[in-house]
Amino acid sequence: EVQLVESGGGLVQPGGSLRLSCAASGFTFSSYEMNWVRQAPGKGLEWVSYISSSGSTIYYADSVKGRFTISRDNAKNSLYLQMNSLRAEDTAVYYCARVGWQNYNDYFDYWGQGTLVTVSS
Amino acid sequence: SSELTQDPAVSVALGQTVRITCQGDSLRSYYASWYQQKPGQAPVLVIYGKNNRPSGIPDRFSGSSSGNTASLTITGAQAEDEADYYCNSRDSSGNHLNYVFGTGTKVTVL
Repeated sequence: EVQLVESGGGLVQPGGSLRLSCAASGFTFSSYEMNWVRQAPGKGLEWVSYISSSGSTIYYADSVKGRFTISRDNAKNSLYLQMNSLRAEDTAVYYCARVGWQNYNDYFDYWGQGTLVTVSS
Repeated sequence: SSELTQDPAVSVALGQTVRITCQGDSLRSYYASWYQQKPGQAPVLVIYGKNNRPSGIPDRFSGSSSGNTASLTITGAQAEDEADYYCNSRDSSGNHLNYVFGTGTKVTVL
């Protein structure tokens, strides 16, 4: 059974830092691209960042570029999101999501349960 | 970056059919995927590609696409289908990969 379990969320002051983790199990983690997606309270889904299966290719949403860093450790079956210079608008539930592929179409086939990040003084 | 626009809310009578639409330029290049999200829960993939359902998703869910519009249809809506639904695709604008989510549609089953 595929499982993605996020951790590391919490309350942080504006300008502070936080590192999120996503522990993967039930599949060959090193073979899959991964993403972080967030959802502000009462709002819609927002894509945050992408990392290829090897970690060699990385992309970010403009809203987090230069402040967030995505990484992975395939030996530990783990995905990470280092978040620096946090702002109130970064307050959200952060989900990790696996990328599935079929016939050149990609999609997010499995999601974690999410971890809440609250940026407030 | 591109945007995907959805109607904020729709309602459907129990057992009837409802169609949720998603409009955006990126849909001329990429198929949409669709996600169901119930309160307090993570999103769940319900449709991907041309019209594919993951294992465990009822066949009352179907997808279609034409031009810049993707649609999710629930044929014979059930009470448990009441949820928020989001479309998603790659973003065809810009010079690197982005994904874009639709604005979301709240489906109420009456």
